[in-house]
Amino acid sequence: DIVMTQTPLSSPVTLGQPASISCRSSQSLVHSDGNTYLSWLQQRPGQPPRLLIYTISNRFSGVPDRFSGSGAGTDFTLKISRVEAEDVGVYYCMQATRFPVTFGGGTKVEIK
Amino acid sequence: EVQLMESGGGLVQPGGSLRLSCAASGFTVSTNYMTWVRQVPGKGLEWVSVIYINGNTHYADSVKGRFIISRDNSKNTVYLQMNSLRVEDTAVYYCARNWEYDYWGQGTQVTVSS
Repeated sequence: DIVMTQTPLSSPVTLGQPASISCRSSQSLVHSDGNTYLSWLQQRPGQPPRLLIYTISNRFSGVPDRFSGSGAGTDFTLKISRVEAEDVGVYYCMQATRFPVTFGGGTKVEIK
Repeated sequence: EVQLMESGGGLVQPGGSLRLSCAASGFTVSTNYMTWVRQVPGKGLEWVSVIYINGNTHYADSVKGRFIISRDNSKNTVYLQMNSLRVEDTAVYYCARNWEYDYWGQGTQVTVSS
């Protein structure tokens, strides 16, 4: 199975400041069809996960443009340009390139 | 509007069975790839099972031989039949749509305990 490693485990951020989360996969996530099926999910406290970003950098419908994704191969990053109070929660990367789908361990974003 | 609603969770003894349901609205389950994911409270996400558009299914090794995923197109619902339940199956179970996991239900709690 592909192992997804996220850093940091926790990210205390001042409101209005940027935040960055890293995700590294144990194997390349480039699929034979040329796509890289790396997504980012947000889970607010007491809520189910919510899709933010798919195929590395595509924002899902309704996701604010302060969220952006980048990366390639085995190294990926989620950036929040200016953290707002509603961004508090746990963020997960996930890969759907190779079976089975696997998730990172999560990064908790909290306000300082 | 796309919505997913899980139900069927509860408290069950080890060795028991439960059937979870994921009722969909706003789209057709038979033309989408549907997945079950579980989460131990306070912990991370674990993929459990998938049913493809063609009806093929796959399972995590941890549940293979014990869980069965299926769908009823007439009810636009996906099911997870869980047999021979173990304490370690205790989790919130979510259904999600497509390979992007673009929509998730609210989840249903399954507790396996004597």
